[in-house]
Amino acid sequence: DSGVTQTPKHLITATGQRVTLRCSPRSGDLSVYWYQQSLDQGLQFLIQYYNGEERAKGNILERFSAQQFPDLHSELNLSSLELGDSALYFCASSPRTSGGPYEQYFGPGTRLTVT
Amino acid sequence: ELKVEQNPLFLSMQEGKNYTIYCNYSTTSDRLYWYRQDPGKSLESLFVLLSNGAVKQEGRLMASLDTKARLSTLHITAAVHDLSATYFCAVDLWAGNQFYFGTGTSLTVIP
Repeated sequence: DSGVTQTPKHLITATGQRVTLRCSPRSGDLSVYWYQQSLDQGLQFLIQYYNGEERAKGNILERFSAQQFPDLHSELNLSSLELGDSALYFCASSPRTSGGPYEQYFGPGTRLTVT
Repeated sequence: ELKVEQNPLFLSMQEGKNYTIYCNYSTTSDRLYWYRQDPGKSLESLFVLLSNGAVKQEGRLMASLDTKARLSTLHITAAVHDLSATYFCAVDLWAGNQFYFGTGTSLTVIP
């Protein structure tokens, strides 16, 4: 158990809908990362937050957005869902000590199925 | 865009044999990470390599980093079935703010 929690574990929804995925980082970790894992795209970095602020963006679609709250939990919002958004979404956290290393601890993931 | 390539993508090996997984990346970075993922599970950190020439070992796995060649290797010694999993390397492009993962190597160890 990495100490990172994600809810829900599974989510089934229809095309065009909007969902919110939630992540709680390990105690004391300030950085949260979101990833999408699918068979055709592999593991793709989406976005990173550090202490409430967005720090880096990867291959995140405009239909997707995220935020990190003052208690450091993070939410990933996916809207206007398409079949191709079906994937496993991971959250990871990192302590981000100055100068690194930036080892990440991954949550169990949320499996999203869009029908 | 940074590219991280692993080979082989699929590896089937017999118990007791040795093999190496390669991770090549396309831009300068002196931090490389290896992760393991079991089927249907999350990713587990294996190694963090922080400088050129870094070598780390844990059990039957040994990882090394050559930043000049932009190459990392994960060597498996005397494989056992428990090592069957998918192994990913990842490159830290910008001080922990952006990570690029390799394609993954699916390892199956056959008794």
